[in-house]
Amino acid sequence: AQKITQTQPGMFVQEKEAVTLDCTYDTSDPSYGLFWYKQPSSGEMIFLIYQGSYDQQNATEGRYSLNFQKARKSANLVISASQLGDSAMYFCAMREGLGTGGFKTIFGAGTRLFVKA
Amino acid sequence: DTEVTQTPKHLVMGMTNKKSLKCEQHMGHRAMYWYKQKAKKPPELMFVYSYEKLSINESVPSRFSPECPNSSLLNLHLHALQPEDSALYLCASSRDRMDRRFFGPGTRLTVL
Repeated sequence: AQKITQTQPGMFVQEKEAVTLDCTYDTSDPSYGLFWYKQPSSGEMIFLIYQGSYDQQNATEGRYSLNFQKARKSANLVISASQLGDSAMYFCAMREGLGTGGFKTIFGAGTRLFVKA
Repeated sequence: DTEVTQTPKHLVMGMTNKKSLKCEQHMGHRAMYWYKQKAKKPPELMFVYSYEKLSINESVPSRFSPECPNSSLLNLHLHALQPEDSALYLCASSRDRMDRRFFGPGTRLTVL
């Protein structure tokens, strides 16, 4: 069974500093995808970044980068130059590649990020 | 248009009411999803439609009835709900099963 673990229920970061949100996963499927989503208090889930299991390079999207360590089964999100608007819940998620498993994106418990002015 | 819309934004209903949630996308996505999210918890998958056919039902109680009338529209019919069904209901779509999900803003449901 696949599993996503986010061990940081809450994190504080000073504005303009970088922060790393941890995510580890467990799967026996060689083909899988890892996602990070941001959920502000308004409720909408906002896609941030994606890493495929066969991707050789770490994904980057603007201020977001994904530190993908396949052997360790970790996919940490790095946010550079934090902004007040980054305060939100962040979810790590994974989908497997086989059959209908690809439809079942599983989410971690989430990390609440607080950015301090 | 890269948007998923959901109506209504908020819904309050009694346990004997019948109501429906609506979700729409015009991105040509062939997979659509319903998720349920309780406060301070991650979203939980309820249903998946692929090419307008129900592909996955995650053992959801029959008081929740999904419907996909066409490739752009997804409904969730609600009947005889319980107070514990109060939650944020998120709709999402994706090009295929491998692609990222595009989420709507959600419907906040309160069952009295």
